[in-house]
Amino acid sequence: GAGVSQSPRYKVAKRGQDVALRCDPISGHVSLFWYQQALGQGPEFLTYFQNEAQLDKSGLPSDRFFAERPEGSVSTLKIQRTQQEDSAVYLCASSFGLEQFFGPGTRLTVL
Amino acid sequence: AQKITQTQPGMFVQEKEAVTLDCTYDTSDPSYGLFWYKQPSSGEMIFLIYQGSYDQQNATEGRYSLNFQKARKSANLVISASQLGDSAMYFCAMREGALQGGSEKLVFGKGTKLTVNP
Repeated sequence: GAGVSQSPRYKVAKRGQDVALRCDPISGHVSLFWYQQALGQGPEFLTYFQNEAQLDKSGLPSDRFFAERPEGSVSTLKIQRTQQEDSAVYLCASSFGLEQFFGPGTRLTVL
Repeated sequence: AQKITQTQPGMFVQEKEAVTLDCTYDTSDPSYGLFWYKQPSSGEMIFLIYQGSYDQQNATEGRYSLNFQKARKSANLVISASQLGDSAMYFCAMREGALQGGSEKLVFGKGTKLTVNP
């Protein structure tokens, strides 16, 4: 079966542009997570969903960050008015238990 | 305060030898889970091993074992018989409230870069 997929794999944005990052979780996985990984650091939690409900968004760094999972499957992380400090790899993970399965990430570069 | 501390930015080991990667954690929650993930240069996080706070035995998965010392709040990863393919970043992570329906989010350490030399 397919793992977690993310698109695009790479995104270059000019400062001030809006971006949308997509995550396709493993089929049947109830929980979906977004993490941000800066260069040379560990992943940092952004938000997570159980089905379509966003249960924890405590890690979103500002109101420019918004995530949704309207039908409890695919999720989109949207960043408005991107800033240089938003440059990072954005990792999506899904789970149906304790283990989280990660996607390959989207590398966002803001110029 | 750091919830997960990995004090070794980099480690080197000879092929076929064992290596221990350190991890200490900080929590006041009696119910928690500890995870180790491997991140090769390709970027994908690969789950290696899990230890629950109430587990009596140290977790083992093939060549990976977790040296869990609860009183010291330590959860070190031991890799036996290192292989060249083990060269990667290794992250320790914690989930609090793991058995009581708490948040499922993981808190990660900064990682240790392991290099296996031939």
